[in-house]
Amino acid sequence: DQQVKQNSPSLSVQEGRISILNCDYTNSMFDYFLWYKKYPAEGPTFLISISSIKDKNEDGRFTVFLNKSAKHLSLHIVPSQPGDSAVYFCAARGGADGLTFGKGTHLIIQP
Amino acid sequence: NAGVTQTPKFQVLKTGQSMTLQCAQDMNHNSMYWYRQDPGMGLRLIYYSASEGTTDKGEVPNGYNVSRLNKREFSLRLESAAPSQTSVYFCASSGYRAQGEKLFFGSGTQLSVL
Repeated sequence: DQQVKQNSPSLSVQEGRISILNCDYTNSMFDYFLWYKKYPAEGPTFLISISSIKDKNEDGRFTVFLNKSAKHLSLHIVPSQPGDSAVYFCAARGGADGLTFGKGTHLIIQP
Repeated sequence: NAGVTQTPKFQVLKTGQSMTLQCAQDMNHNSMYWYRQDPGMGLRLIYYSASEGTTDKGEVPNGYNVSRLNKREFSLRLESAAPSQTSVYFCASSGYRAQGEKLFFGSGTQLSVL
């Protein structure tokens, strides 16, 4: 049973526009959420995170929103740049050690 | 500035062969992890080690063994490789939970089992 779901395998956005990546989770025990970015042939790198006691966290062009009642979080990238083209993984921390990852969304920024 | 280092970067095995993937971190982290990434499957936890001397199974441990050699090193062993173990393997490490469980990943090992 998938506890962290990213239902869009890919997303294409025009350069300069807003990119919105979505993530849903089912486990109420998750208390911390993270987004990772991955380029081909590289390991995932941490992008931004949010604690379950917050509903928004901002870092430059990246903002993560958390809606606990809906068990939904989203990553907004504004404005989108060519270097943002990558696979984005949503991840959650629960009771056990380690993180539970979604399947990823491949973001393609069109010039 | 190394962070998490994995070796080898690429490996081709025949079914039934064995091999060990090596991982080392230089950030003095307590916890270390092995994940595998398959197309359309995201990252799945194989084994983890919360501290030196302890190891625990993750979501997909079958066919693997691990050793936490010391605080720096965490190895993953395939005793008898199978084609289903063809994947990209990532080692990761993290500090204390109070720091938010941010994992730092290595660059991965591309393994093909023929």
